[in-house]
Amino acid sequence: AQSVTQLDSQVPVFEEAPVELRCNYSSSVSVYLFWYVQYPNQGLQLLLKYLSGSTLVKGINGFEAEFNKSQTSFHLRKPSVHISDTAEYFCAVNRGTSYGKLTFGQGTILTVHP
Amino acid sequence: NAGVTQTPKFRVLKTGQSMTLLCAQDMNHEYMYWYRQDPGMGLRLIHYSVGEGTTAKGEVPDGYNVSRLKKQNFLLGLESAAPSQTSVYFCASSPQENYGYTFGSGTRLTVV
Repeated sequence: AQSVTQLDSQVPVFEEAPVELRCNYSSSVSVYLFWYVQYPNQGLQLLLKYLSGSTLVKGINGFEAEFNKSQTSFHLRKPSVHISDTAEYFCAVNRGTSYGKLTFGQGTILTVHP
Repeated sequence: NAGVTQTPKFRVLKTGQSMTLLCAQDMNHEYMYWYRQDPGMGLRLIHYSVGEGTTAKGEVPDGYNVSRLKKQNFLLGLESAAPSQTSVYFCASSPQENYGYTFGSGTRLTVV
C-alpha cells in the first residue's frame, strides 16, 4: 500500500521569506505526485503535478516542487511568500494503475505573518 | 461554468437518520470521487466511479453507498448516520487518470 507523509503539520513563516513544505511517499512502483491547496472554507485546488520528465515542476502562484526518486520526496517550495498564501497544503500520490485514486497526506498548515 | 457543485453545503442529522449528498459536474468528466476530510487525517477516499453506471469502494466505504445513474451526477448516501460520520465531504471529478481533480466546495455534516 502506498502512503504519504507530510513532515510538518504547521509551518509559520514571515511574509517575503522562502518556504519549503515537505512530503515523502512510500511506493515500490511508479507514482504520480500532486500538491493541492485549500483556502479556509473552500475545496481543494490543484497547485502542480509530476507525471514524468523534468523533476522540477512549476505550478500556479509561484510554487514549484522537486521530485526526488532516490529520497522518495516531493517537497513544495516558494522563494517569497505572501499573506495570501496562508492555507492548508496537501501532498497526494497515485500509482499509475489505480483509476486516478489519490492518497493524501495529513496536510500542512502554512501561516504567513506580516 | 459551474465546475463541481455539491448540495447541501451544511447538514445536521440525528443518529440513525438517512440522507443523500449530491455531486454534479458539468465538465463531462468520466471519473468521480467522494472523499471525507477529518482534522489531521487528510482526505480519505470513500467511493469512486470510472464512468456512468459504475461504482467501486475506496479506503473507508463502510456505512456509505453511492450511485452514478447519470454521468454528471454522483450521489453519496448514508443509510443510518452515526456520530463517526461527522466530517466534511468533498466530491471531485477528473477527465482521465492523473489529470488532476476538480473539487467541489464541500458539505459539512454533523451527526448528533
